[in-house]
Amino acid sequence: DIQMTQSPSSLSASLGDWVTITCRASQNIRTYVNWYQQRPGEAPRLLVSVAAVLQTGVPSRFRGSGSGTDFSLIIAGLQRDDFVTYFCQQSYSFPWTFGQGTRVEIK
Amino acid sequence: QMQLRESGPGLVKPSEPLSLTCNVSGGSVRSHYWSWIRQSPEKGLQWIGYVRDSGTTNYNPSLQSRVTMSLDRSKNQISLTLTSVTATDTGLYYCARANYDTLTADHHLDLWGRGTLVTVSS
Repeated sequence: DIQMTQSPSSLSASLGDWVTITCRASQNIRTYVNWYQQRPGEAPRLLVSVAAVLQTGVPSRFRGSGSGTDFSLIIAGLQRDDFVTYFCQQSYSFPWTFGQGTRVEIK
Repeated sequence: QMQLRESGPGLVKPSEPLSLTCNVSGGSVRSHYWSWIRQSPEKGLQWIGYVRDSGTTNYNPSLQSRVTMSLDRSKNQISLTLTSVTATDTGLYYCARANYDTLTADHHLDLWGRGTLVTVSS
């Protein structure tokens, strides 16, 4: 199975800060990474597909990048709604696997 | 707008089967891939598998011997059965639509339900 190592597991930031969440794959997965946002008690939400494609309705402050083994999700200017959990997922090969998640907390 | 809602027994005894249902509203189960994913504090998120509208399935090898997924087109539902459960099967179980993008040859989970909590305990 492909391992997705996500970091950090949590971070503290202030409104308006830029933050970067990273995922490293255990092998080359080209650009087959998706990023999701998870709020407690709600359905997870797809933010970015194939590393950099922003989904319809997702604010442009969310930016995905990377290829090969290293991927990033940048939130360019944290808003109040952004202080939740994010996780990555690889869809390069089965079984699909996920990162352990990053909890973004307000400082 | 399509929505997904998972349902199940909540509490299952060890060694018994777990059966969950995902009800699809606002759209059809046809022409899509449907996945189940579970989440626990110990293991994080784990992809269980998918079922296509054709009935074709693809399961996580770590669970393959115990998992069955199916579609009921008449009820617009997707079901999951996991046999011989143990405490390690405790978690929040999600149903999700796995959209296949023909341009990028990529699957991504573009619509999720809120999940249903399953506890395995005697």
